[in-house]
Amino acid sequence: DGGITQSPKYLFRKEGQNVTLSCEQNLNHDAMYWYRQDPGQGLRLIYYSQIVNDFQKGDIAEGYSVSREKKESFPLTVTSAQKNPTAFYLCASSVQGAKNIQYFGAGTRLSVL
Amino acid sequence: GENVEQHPSTLSVQEGDSAVIKCTYSDSASNYFPWYKQELGKGPQLIIDIRSNVGEKKDQRIAVTLNKTAKHFSLHITETQPEDSAVYFCAAKPQIQGAQKLVFGQGTRLTINP
Repeated sequence: DGGITQSPKYLFRKEGQNVTLSCEQNLNHDAMYWYRQDPGQGLRLIYYSQIVNDFQKGDIAEGYSVSREKKESFPLTVTSAQKNPTAFYLCASSVQGAKNIQYFGAGTRLSVL
Repeated sequence: GENVEQHPSTLSVQEGDSAVIKCTYSDSASNYFPWYKQELGKGPQLIIDIRSNVGEKKDQRIAVTLNKTAKHFSLHITETQPEDSAVYFCAAKPQIQGAQKLVFGQGTRLTINP
């Protein structure tokens, strides 16, 4: 069953804590993306990676970090520097090409305790 | 950089009527425009897309039109059904050397009333 798997579905963060959201894909896609979704603001790009061991900041990278050690995996860490982390986080992947069709996971909802 | 504006933010139509969602983009070099549908609690899924060398594309009850001169594109859903209720996002792919990414609109919550 091919696709993108995000875990956990729900996550709670305490003050001052770093948390890591998992994203795994078995589609053999080179590119992977992390978005933050807030009501009325659409999908905002946090980080993206076009190839293993390389990644670029998106529009709202402050307070987040990523790694891309394997093609299949692109974990996102929400650090204590992110003062407003409550949101729905979406991971996506795509092949490189003229279209950039992105396939999304089911998302992780992060809340602050 | 590219900026995509989407309207309306909410849309309510009677079952069987048509729905139209509109987007404008700022970067005339953008060359690919997809539309995604997001159902409650799920990730967005591509429903239709159009490239900049085409003016219109249709797939059963959904169609997308692109006006490059005015820099806007629209999603048209005909004969709407309750399962069309969802949040719809438009996006544009800017031409940035060495980068493959999409810029999304703010989303439209479409409600189909039975």
